[in-house]
Amino acid sequence: GAGVSQSPSNKVTEKGKDVELRCDPISGHTALYWYRQRLGQGLEFLIYFQGNSAPDKSGLPSDRFSAERTGESVSTLTIQRTQQEDSAVYLCASSADYLSTDTQYFGPGTRLTVL
Amino acid sequence: AQKITQTQPGMFVQEKEAVTLDCTYDTSDQSYGLFWYKQPSSGEMIFLIYQGSYDEQNATEGRYSLNFQKARKSANLVISASQLGDSAMYFCAMREGRPNFGNEKLTFGTGTRLTIIP
Repeated sequence: GAGVSQSPSNKVTEKGKDVELRCDPISGHTALYWYRQRLGQGLEFLIYFQGNSAPDKSGLPSDRFSAERTGESVSTLTIQRTQQEDSAVYLCASSADYLSTDTQYFGPGTRLTVL
Repeated sequence: AQKITQTQPGMFVQEKEAVTLDCTYDTSDQSYGLFWYKQPSSGEMIFLIYQGSYDEQNATEGRYSLNFQKARKSANLVISASQLGDSAMYFCAMREGRPNFGNEKLTFGTGTRLTIIP
């Protein structure tokens, strides 16, 4: 079956512009996560959705970051007034809450470069 | 304190040898899950293996096994008979709390870059 997909795969933007990153989870997965990976580092948790609600937004680094999820499927991560420090790979993952291991399966990521 | 510690930034291993990648963790929860992911140069995160804190047996998945030592809080990944395609970054991660209970975020270590030498 299809895995997690993300678009765009690469995004280059100018400082101060807004960007939207999209994630399509695995069909039937109710849980969706966003992570950020800076160059040469591990993944940092940003936000978690269970269905359409976001019970854990603790990782969002500032109020310039927001995310929404509609219809228990697609999610969009929005970064407003981008800064150079926002340059990173943004990874989305999904998991099925009806399994005991809640393994998260990742998409290929969106590489964001802020000039 | 770091929740996940991977002390080996890089490792070089001869093809066909076994390799152990170290991971120690820190949590006060009784219920937690430990995961290993592989990240090739292409950037995707590939799930390898999972160990639950209450699992009595060490997890195995093909050539991958997890050496789980609960008292020492370590969850080392063992790759048997290494192959050139195993060259990648390897990340250890932890989920604190029970699965599917609203605690699902993963905390990742800094990773180990494994290079297999032909």
